Order: sequence, then structure tokens, then C-alpha cells
Amino acid sequence: QSVLTQPPSVSAAPGQKVTISCFGSSSNIGNNFVSWYQQLPGTAPKLLIYDSNKRPSGIPDRFSGSKSGTSATLGITGLQTGDEADYYCGTWDSGLSAVVFGGGTKLTVL
Amino acid sequence: EVQLLESGGGLVQPGGSLRLSCAASGFTFTSYAMSWVRQAPGKGLEWVSAISGTGGSTYYADSVKGRFTISRDNSKNTLYLQMNSLRADDTAIYYCARDRVVVVTAALDYWGQGTLVTVSS
Repeated sequence: QSVLTQPPSVSAAPGQKVTISCFGSSSNIGNNFVSWYQQLPGTAPKLLIYDSNKRPSGIPDRFSGSKSGTSATLGITGLQTGDEADYYCGTWDSGLSAVVFGGGTKLTVL
Repeated sequence: EVQLLESGGGLVQPGGSLRLSCAASGFTFTSYAMSWVRQAPGKGLEWVSAISGTGGSTYYADSVKGRFTISRDNSKNTLYLQMNSLRADDTAIYYCARDRVVVVTAALDYWGQGTLVTVSS
């Protein structure tokens, strides 16, 4: 059972927009920055968003992040078939003194 | 170019030990915290352990506390994970990852390719 809760799967058509939610608590998302990762099949995870809403260089602005209270959201616009991957949220948990991840969300681009 | 190269994975019997290494290059190693993250076959990411840039602060997941030890040799730009009392549920790909800053956060901006650890008799 993951500390952060994500939907197991989401789907949308090419060109459309999708959002992936991540729910936590005051000990993690509520008081710390959130990161988001993309993991393509057979590869290592890749940082998409850090500090809840910042993009590392090279990440297209189709990817966005937001945080409100104890939840965070990853948004992806202009969906492409190449966006099909598993997406994970992560943050620091002050109560556990540990990094925690969500269980992951599989994105299918129909 | 930032590079992280893990090594040391393999097949080990339950109760056995293994030491993973992660050779870092392309950045000032002491300026960044480092983490180990694992992924069991077909499962999600599980953070295992992290260490600050100086090595003065270490953190562990409850699932490995008391069995695994993280360390770093800043003179060799190398991160380690000593794994003892291994169990079948430790079977996973183990990734080495760099944090964006010197203290431990969850913003891991560079990852190695991973090394597979299989615990089985």
C-alpha cells in the first residue's frame, strides 16, 4: 500500500489532455514539494516535474504540475502515442523521514 | 554529461549479502544527495535509502531499516548500498539516482540504468 494514492490507469485520445492525481497527507504533500516521473517501458524513470510545478530543461511545456493542499496533479496536453508510460508522483514525508512514491498510473493513449 | 553506473547485482540466496555500487561522473559528486530506488518485477517504484551530499545524513525505508546500509566515498565519486539478510521480496531492479540538491528531497533528476538483484535459493 503506497503512502501516496494515484489512479491505476488513465486514458485519452491523441491530441487530448489528461490529468493524473496524487493524494497524500499533511506530512507529505501538504508540506513538501512534489515531483513527477515518467517511466517508459523497459527504461529508468525520468524526472518531469519538480518543486510541484517546475520543469527540468528539455521537458516540453505540454507537461505541467500543480499542488493544492494535500493533493497534486500532473497535466499532459497534446497527447502523443509516445506519452504512453507509467507516471509516478513522489515527495518527502516529514513524519517518516523518507521519500515516498505513489503506486503509479499507467497512461494509455487510445 | 552526468552518468550513473550501477554494478554489483546478481543472484544471492535468502539470508545472504550483496553490495551495490554506483559510479558517478560528469558532476561535482559532493554537491548532491543520492538515493537508491528499487522496482520489483511488474511493480511500482519503491524508494530504499538516501544520503546527503556530505554523507552526514542517511535515511531508510522501513522495509530495509536495520538490514541495508547506504554510504558514499566522495573521493571516489561512488555510492554504495550494503544489503544484508536479503529476502525474496528484495528481488528488484535497483536504481541509483541523483537528487537535485545537496539535501535529500524527492526530486531525482538523473538515474542509472539499474542493476538486477535476485534473491532465490
